[in-house]
Amino acid sequence: EPEVTQTPSHQVTQMGQEVILRCVPISNHLYFYWYRQILGQKVEFLVSFYNNEISEKSEIFDDQFSVERPDGSNFTLKIRSTKLEDSAMYFCASSTGQENEKLFFGSGTQLSVL
Amino acid sequence: GEDVEQSLFLSVREGDSSVINCTYTDSSSTYLYWYKQEPGAGLQLLTYIFSNMDMKQDQRLTVLLNKKDKHLSMRIADTQTGDSAIYFCAETGGGFKTIFGAGTRLFVKA
Repeated sequence: EPEVTQTPSHQVTQMGQEVILRCVPISNHLYFYWYRQILGQKVEFLVSFYNNEISEKSEIFDDQFSVERPDGSNFTLKIRSTKLEDSAMYFCASSTGQENEKLFFGSGTQLSVL
Repeated sequence: GEDVEQSLFLSVREGDSSVINCTYTDSSSTYLYWYKQEPGAGLQLLTYIFSNMDMKQDQRLTVLLNKKDKHLSMRIADTQTGDSAIYFCAETGGGFKTIFGAGTRLFVKA
């Protein structure tokens, strides 16, 4: 069965450093998403991406965050200058965009900011 | 804003039924979902229900929706140890974002 893959599975970084989280969505999917989950808290929507542009973003997704689809297969989330509170599990997801919006999730990247 | 709430823990004996509950605030919710997360894995869609339905049966899963009270539940019949996981309730109003709860951790005792 096709799946969404994310790399790396764990990322440790120093506060103030830039990180790039990588995702390969399912190949025929058109919509791409980033969610995050701080330990013990809800899974929070960050951003959705369609047709090479952001379609919706949350308040969390400020100027420190950016997304890119640099080629036909990868979808990346960049955090420009990481803060301690960015420590979380980051999930990439993709969907076909059909009505019931079934999301296919990757297994996540655990980001730890020290 | 939209919010989804669910209890954090549930413990059941193997063979019993599990009922996981969820409440949501968005009255324009179109679809409501249950996702399962096993250790080290992403969220996997288990089942969903359209907002004009009251009930959906999907093998061992029974989903009940009370739209008036904005209450969603999922019953797992004959719960097995392999059902131990975190279960997320989620909803979408038809936009691009899906709103998730914090997840209910189900413990199944042998």
